Amino acid sequence: GQQLNQSPQSMFIQEGEDVSMNCTSSSIFNTWLWYKQDPGEGPVLLIALYKAGELTSNGRLTAQFGITRKDSFLNISASIPSDVGIYFCAGPIQGAQKLVFGQGTRLTINP
Amino acid sequence: DAGVIQSPRHEVTEMGQEVTLRCKPISGHNSLFWYRQTMMRGLELLIYFNNNVPIDDSGMPEDRFSAKMPNASFSTLKIQPSEPRDSAVYFCASTRAASYEQYFGPGTRLTVT
Repeated sequence: GQQLNQSPQSMFIQEGEDVSMNCTSSSIFNTWLWYKQDPGEGPVLLIALYKAGELTSNGRLTAQFGITRKDSFLNISASIPSDVGIYFCAGPIQGAQKLVFGQGTRLTINP
Repeated sequence: DAGVIQSPRHEVTEMGQEVTLRCKPISGHNSLFWYRQTMMRGLELLIYFNNNVPIDDSGMPEDRFSAKMPNASFSTLKIQPSEPRDSAVYFCASTRAASYEQYFGPGTRLTVT
């Protein structure tokens, strides 16, 4: 079935550094979604991507829809403490409205 | 606008007891999803509804789990009888018709002792 693989699984960075993470699949996706989950809360939608090659920003966050439609990337510039959390990519399963989620990238920031 | 509302936020119960989790989707959203999240298995879709009708319940673990959506603004997930392995965080999410952008509630942390 369709699966999403996120890397890295975890990141430990210094405040102010830029962050890059990605999400890959052996299947083609027509939509990519990026979510962030804070401890004790539900995932929050950050960015949605709908076209191959699309680059979309939300403040310091930028996400790209890979040209092959089998991957997506999320970048965070000038990280701050509130960026700490788990970042998930997600995509719709073909022919259904339901989503498949990656296993997440856990971001930790050292002040 | 209010987001997805879930209650209770925390539930501690003993094995064998019935547990009912509640969800109010965002007004105007036609689709509702129930997920379970654990460290071992991540986020798993249990069931989803379109216009109050269950569409896919293939993720429901077993007959002890049931879900209903009696109207557009309310859904329940029931576990009867509960078991320790049901301990997890349960999320409800909603979205507009034909949209993939799901909005999650804060979750219910269930502990079964």
